[in-house]
Amino acid sequence: SYVLTQPPSVSVAPGKTATIPCGGNNIGGKTVHWYQQKPGQAPVLVTYYESIESDRPSGIPERFSGSNSGNTATLTISRVEAGDEADYHCQVWDSNSDHVFGGGTKLTVL
Amino acid sequence: EVQLLESGGGLLQPGGSLRLSCVASGFRFSDDPMSWVRQAPGKGLEWVSAIGGRDANTHYADSVKGRFTISRDNSKNTLYLQINNLRVEDTALYYCARNQYSTTWYFASWGHGTLVTVSS
Repeated sequence: SYVLTQPPSVSVAPGKTATIPCGGNNIGGKTVHWYQQKPGQAPVLVTYYESIESDRPSGIPERFSGSNSGNTATLTISRVEAGDEADYHCQVWDSNSDHVFGGGTKLTVL
Repeated sequence: EVQLLESGGGLLQPGGSLRLSCVASGFRFSDDPMSWVRQAPGKGLEWVSAIGGRDANTHYADSVKGRFTISRDNSKNTLYLQINNLRVEDTALYYCARNQYSTTWYFASWGHGTLVTVSS
């Protein structure tokens, strides 16, 4: 089955750029979606792929973007705010494994 | 506004059964595939099962095949998950999610979840 690997935690200072990686075998050939989950809340979709470009649902700031190449997909959050502190989960759909999630990364804003 | 409201969770003993429900509103329920995703305490997200919109084709994670049954009643805008032969490792918050498709499938909207605890 397909496996996605995320670091347990990432820290960033306010106003800086956070990059959260998601590793998978040839993940650059797949479409990766990202979810934000704040403590005690349900996940929220923050980026998804439309055709070949990363896009965001309405209401999600432009500061959130996704990219994907080789064996690593990346969620980039620019100008990080205290309110961005949350767990972030990557997800792919694979024809053999159906839906697969990474283990999640806790983003800490210092 | 899309709303998904789960119910049916509780404290059960190993070997027991229960049925989870998810009532949907704010979109044409019959058009969209739906999924159940669970999250064990302190753990990540795990997709459990999905069902097509009109065709109602079903899919299951290997970890639950043979014990879980997903179904839907489009006339009631309701999604179900029947869980049999409960195991301690089924303890989790169970989310109902609406699937949408761009290049591949993703989870566009989520409910707040219903907690299932399996313990003797």
